[in-house]
Amino acid sequence: NAGVTQTPKFRILKIGQSMTLQCTQDMNHNYMYWYRQDPGMGLKLIYYSVGAGITDKGEVPNGYNVSRSTTEDFPLRLELAAPSQTSVYFCASSESGAGNTIYFGEGSWLTVV
Amino acid sequence: TQLLEQSPQFLSIQEGENLTVYCNSSSVFSSLQWYRQEPGEGPVLLVTVVTGGEVKKLKRLTFQFGDARKDSSLHITAAQPGDTGLYLCAEGGGGSNYKLTFGKGTLLTVNP
Repeated sequence: NAGVTQTPKFRILKIGQSMTLQCTQDMNHNYMYWYRQDPGMGLKLIYYSVGAGITDKGEVPNGYNVSRSTTEDFPLRLELAAPSQTSVYFCASSESGAGNTIYFGEGSWLTVV
Repeated sequence: TQLLEQSPQFLSIQEGENLTVYCNSSSVFSSLQWYRQEPGEGPVLLVTVVTGGEVKKLKRLTFQFGDARKDSSLHITAAQPGDTGLYLCAEGGGGSNYKLTFGKGTLLTVNP
């Protein structure tokens, strides 16, 4: 019953530090996504991937990078953390695109101070 | 990018009451999904509607898709505290079916 697993659950970063949010799914889904959720703002797409080796930018990619070396893993890298990146981050996956069921992880709470 | 407007933004009701929340857009939806997000969790899909005029029921929840596919509603009958959460609508498609565009959500609190 693992589904989409994100780590860490909580993290505090200092301005300028870097870190990687890990995401793995065990459903053999081709599509994976990273969203951020700010209070009262809904979810915004950061990056997405339609398969191993393929990634593309979403609405708010600045300050982030991703890679997709395997079907299972889709890590999100934050370079030079800024207070504006304080948010809740959700990784998600789906079998075949947005019209199908998208499964979300439990979220990673990130605070940049 | 299609903008989705959800209303109301906040709703607090007593157990047993009925409620309706709305999702609207100025553009036609290719498909629309409703999600519920409980505190500390990720969103969970409730339903996908595709056809204009479509009505789907999930126990006490009734989802309607407008005839023109520009609006949708979620009606909850006899709300229970377990219905508490953030209800999000999301549109997927347009030129690409890879991405979902989310509304800001309706935060529902059902008081015992």
